Amino acid sequence: QLQLQESGPGLVKPSETLSLSCTVSGGSISSSSFYWGWIRQPPGKGLEWIGTIYYSGSTYYNPSLKSRVTISVDTSMNQFSLKLSSVTAADTAVYYCARHKYDFWSGYADYWGQGALVTVSS
Amino acid sequence: SSELTQDPAVSVALGQTVRITCQGDSLRNYYASWYQQKPGQAPVLVIYAKNNRPSGIPDRFSGSSSGNTASLTITGAQAEDEADYYCNSRDNSGDLSVVFGGGTKLTVL
Repeated sequence: QLQLQESGPGLVKPSETLSLSCTVSGGSISSSSFYWGWIRQPPGKGLEWIGTIYYSGSTYYNPSLKSRVTISVDTSMNQFSLKLSSVTAADTAVYYCARHKYDFWSGYADYWGQGALVTVSS
Repeated sequence: SSELTQDPAVSVALGQTVRITCQGDSLRNYYASWYQQKPGQAPVLVIYAKNNRPSGIPDRFSGSSSGNTASLTITGAQAEDEADYYCNSRDNSGDLSVVFGGGTKLTVL
């Protein structure tokens, strides 16, 4: 059974960089069939897609966050990571890592981590 | 980037049928997928690529689409179906960007 687990600091100061990792177990992050990505949810609000990465390192980002986001992959550790720079209180959210699957007509997240709450505050 | 619009709230009587809709230009080119989220939990995929159910999802959940509108139908809603539902699709940008709808809170009466 595939499992994803987010890890990282739960508190980040304004203007600093948020860093999270997602460890994948029960499957290989190097599978050619899937991408790996991040989705966030501010408290009481809806889901916002952040971006996705292929095991080869190809990335796709939400245009509204692109200037501040970096997603990377470490196939040796079966992990991928998120960095979000220059954070403000508006970046306070539960951050989910998720496996993505794409075909010509669709793109969706079929396995999700439990989520990690990151609060931006001094 | 594309936007997907959902009604903020919908209600249904126990055992009845309810349809939750999602509208957006990207749905003319791409299929919607749907997620169920209960309080304090991660979202769960219930329908992918228009009308496919992952293993373990009851067959009372189904999806459809027409033009720029996708729908999630729950036939014979159960109390445990009370949750937030989100649609998503690929973005019209042509790359692998994805967009989510704002979510619909389903209340089972």
